[in-house]
Amino acid sequence: NAGVTQTPKFRVLKTGQSMTLLCAQDMNHEYMYWYRQDPGMGLRLIHYSVGEGTTAKGEVPDGYNVSRLKKQNFLLGLESAAPSQTSVYFCASSTYRQFSSYNEQFFGPGTRLTVL
Amino acid sequence: DQQVKQNSPSLSVQEGRISILNCDYTNSMFDYFLWYKKYPAEGPTFLISISSIKDKNEDGRFTVFLNKSAKHLSLHIVPSQPGDSAVYFCAASRGAQKLVFGQGTRLTINP
Repeated sequence: NAGVTQTPKFRVLKTGQSMTLLCAQDMNHEYMYWYRQDPGMGLRLIHYSVGEGTTAKGEVPDGYNVSRLKKQNFLLGLESAAPSQTSVYFCASSTYRQFSSYNEQFFGPGTRLTVL
Repeated sequence: DQQVKQNSPSLSVQEGRISILNCDYTNSMFDYFLWYKKYPAEGPTFLISISSIKDKNEDGRFTVFLNKSAKHLSLHIVPSQPGDSAVYFCAASRGAQKLVFGQGTRLTINP
């Protein structure tokens, strides 16, 4: 049981290049999330998904796209990277509990992205 | 609009003493609150949570207190240990989907 895994762990891009970050979870969770962490800003939600085939915008969605073709995978894409996207990216997942506000999210180890 | 705020970027505490981390929120609709702990180069890990229908939840050395009238929650760690040195994030949610995180507080436990 690996939990939440992220690929790659590190990446350096040039401005304008594109890339895809992959998140996988083996806990059969319905919900998946992408966050970015910047100094002094905490974790900010980029996009999230409440089920296979569905995605929604979070707090800072501009410049990113996502897809959830399979329940266990959640992809984050940068079509044209900018220096402002230099950050540490975390993926998380959580389960659905009917009539409950319980929302413990399980996080992956992160991807450190630098855009030059 | 920062809905969840941790106003202390850092905190230093002597080993064996109590560590108190604070968090304030502005949205009265939040109904679930969590604390996460994060070590360098790792993802955040869940520590403890509390529902808005309670005012205290305890788990071993960790206790979370919720004051709804003041829109304030705190995490108490007693006794503090060197392994508790980490960044602590508080988070809040309304319903079971999205979490809103604070900026984090770096806790250092000195021997």
